[in-house]
Amino acid sequence: KAGVTQTPRYLIKTRGQQVTLSCSPISGHRSVSWYQQTPGQGLQFLFEYFSETQRNKGNFPGRFSGRQFSNSRSEMNVSTLELGDSALYLCASRQGQGARSNYGYTFGSGTRLTVV
Amino acid sequence: QKEVEQNSGPLSVPEGAIASLNCTYSDRGSQSFFWYRQYSGKSPELIMFIYSNGDKEDGRFTAQLNKASQYVSLLIRDSQPSDSATYLCALYNNNDMRFGAGTRLTVKP
Repeated sequence: KAGVTQTPRYLIKTRGQQVTLSCSPISGHRSVSWYQQTPGQGLQFLFEYFSETQRNKGNFPGRFSGRQFSNSRSEMNVSTLELGDSALYLCASRQGQGARSNYGYTFGSGTRLTVV
Repeated sequence: QKEVEQNSGPLSVPEGAIASLNCTYSDRGSQSFFWYRQYSGKSPELIMFIYSNGDKEDGRFTAQLNKASQYVSLLIRDSQPSDSATYLCALYNNNDMRFGAGTRLTVKP
């Protein structure tokens, strides 16, 4: 069974540009979440999607957005990139939704974004 | 107060010892709790989850939950050098999973 696939693995962008990251969840998993990980802040929740609907959003500016497609694949977009957006962006999936659904997330390998 | 608090460590234990990792949380409505392990340069991987008060054992790992004290812990028995990693405590509530900053564990041969 394939795991969570994130593309690309690495990205270098210039300040002011925008970027789109992609995530393909484990087959059968309908819930996809995105996290930003930095050495100083740890894992910060961005958003969770289930059945193409955003269920929750973390405390990030509107420059961060996402969507989920009917096949459960998800994308996140960051517009007007800032130096502080440099981080590892992790996608995670699980089968259902709710506190006891599928007992936790499976993470992808992440996309390392560097903004210069 | 952060939602999920962990001692950042580093925690160092000798091989074969018991490693004890602790986590406190602020939201009494939290329903489920997870421990993830993250090796350097890798993504987190789930090692334990617990919903009910008490202990849950899985091999060398034991998770302990005390909802009244808002406390969850992870014990690693017979620690091995391969257990050296950062351990992340997480809780699920309101459609998202919140993570602690993690405790770095080093097991010395």
